[in-house]
Amino acid sequence: AQSVTQLGSHVSVSEGALVLLRCNYSSSVPPYLFWYVQYPNQGLQLLLKYTTGATLVKGINGFEAEFKKSETSFHLTKPSAHMSDAAEYFCAVIETGANNLFFGTGTRLTVIP
Amino acid sequence: DTGVSQDPRHKITKRGQNVTFRCDPISEHNRLYWYRQTLGQGPEFLTYFQNEAQLEKSRLLSDRFSAERPKGSFSTLEIQRTEQGDSAMYLCASSSAGGFAGEKLFFGSGTQLSVL
Repeated sequence: AQSVTQLGSHVSVSEGALVLLRCNYSSSVPPYLFWYVQYPNQGLQLLLKYTTGATLVKGINGFEAEFKKSETSFHLTKPSAHMSDAAEYFCAVIETGANNLFFGTGTRLTVIP
Repeated sequence: DTGVSQDPRHKITKRGQNVTFRCDPISEHNRLYWYRQTLGQGPEFLTYFQNEAQLEKSRLLSDRFSAERPKGSFSTLEIQRTEQGDSAMYLCASSSAGGFAGEKLFFGSGTQLSVL
């Protein structure tokens, strides 16, 4: 079965600093991996996804993530944090043979002015 | 594209009462999902429809939970005999045909249920 683990339920960064949100996956087959973002009082929104092909994937709002099979990781990064990036971020994996996403527990990002 | 709409936004009920939530997906989307999210947790998959067919319901939390999508458009999620442990945010999502199921979900803002 597939699963994802997000390290750090809360991350704080200064405005302009690097954002790094960690996600590790567990899967016996090549996974399909996702990052979703939830802004306050809004629905979850897809940031980016990895299915096949290039291991560095770019998403919206300047975010990117790199699939590293050797480390079973799919960490989310952004070079320079903006105040508007403050939100909760969820890593997710498709359950093989299923029709649903399995989400991690989320990381709340705070951006300090 | 008006987005996924959920109604009501908030529901407060007494233990033992039945509640029903509605989800209107993006109009051209044939796949519809229900998730539950509790505080400090990620969304937890409950059930999934493709058109009017409910293709996965084994993850519904108990037989008190049921979902319908009678005409392949809007969907309802009903919880009978609510318990305090049912208090959570109930999320609906939809996606279009093509690609694999779950590939890109569009989520509604959710219905927050509080059971007193």
